[in-house]
Amino acid sequence: EDQVTQSPEALRLQEGESSSLNCSYTVSGLRGLFWYRQDPGKGPEFLFTLYSAGEEKEKERLKATLTKKESFLHITAPKPEDSATYLCAVRAFKTGGYNKLIFGAGTRLAVHP
Amino acid sequence: SQTIHQWPATLVQPVGSPLSLECTVEGTSNPNLYWYRQAAGRGLQLLFYSVGIGQISSEVPQNLSASRPQDRQFILSSKKLLLSDSGFYLCAWATGGNQPQHFGDGTRLSIL
Repeated sequence: EDQVTQSPEALRLQEGESSSLNCSYTVSGLRGLFWYRQDPGKGPEFLFTLYSAGEEKEKERLKATLTKKESFLHITAPKPEDSATYLCAVRAFKTGGYNKLIFGAGTRLAVHP
Repeated sequence: SQTIHQWPATLVQPVGSPLSLECTVEGTSNPNLYWYRQAAGRGLQLLFYSVGIGQISSEVPQNLSASRPQDRQFILSSKKLLLSDSGFYLCAWATGGNQPQHFGDGTRLSIL
């Protein structure tokens, strides 16, 4: 069965303390891995798409990497405004041509000054 | 640029009452449209998706239905709400293929 697991569930950092969030997946026929940021009471905001092992994407203090079994979201020198829930999703091939997103439960990140 | 609108932002309904949530997309044509439900501490659950007007696919059998009367309009409905229908409902769109889905700001539905 296709599955996405994110760890840790919650992470508390001091401002400037770099860390990584993990997204491990088991899926048949990966068609892309997506990272989203979600603020409380809001919809998820798209950050990155990764398609193949070894691929990396960067945006400000965030860097996403992908292997054949997992993805990491590295946060360098975080600021309080990086506090949010970070969601990982994978797109698997489904017979019939429709590509479905399977989401993890997310990592709640709190960055304190 | 493309934008997605959902309303209402919050809704409190009694058990057994009907439901209609609306989602519209601007700035794109023939998008794929999706309805998700998000429970606290859990991942987003896909409820319905649509690749065109009148074309609806259901992922999870339940007390809800969806319709797409116009190209950029997606509606989530129920004839009689259950307590278990409470949650955060999100609408999303994508241009198809491997493009990312983009989400609205959701509707917080509470059933009393």
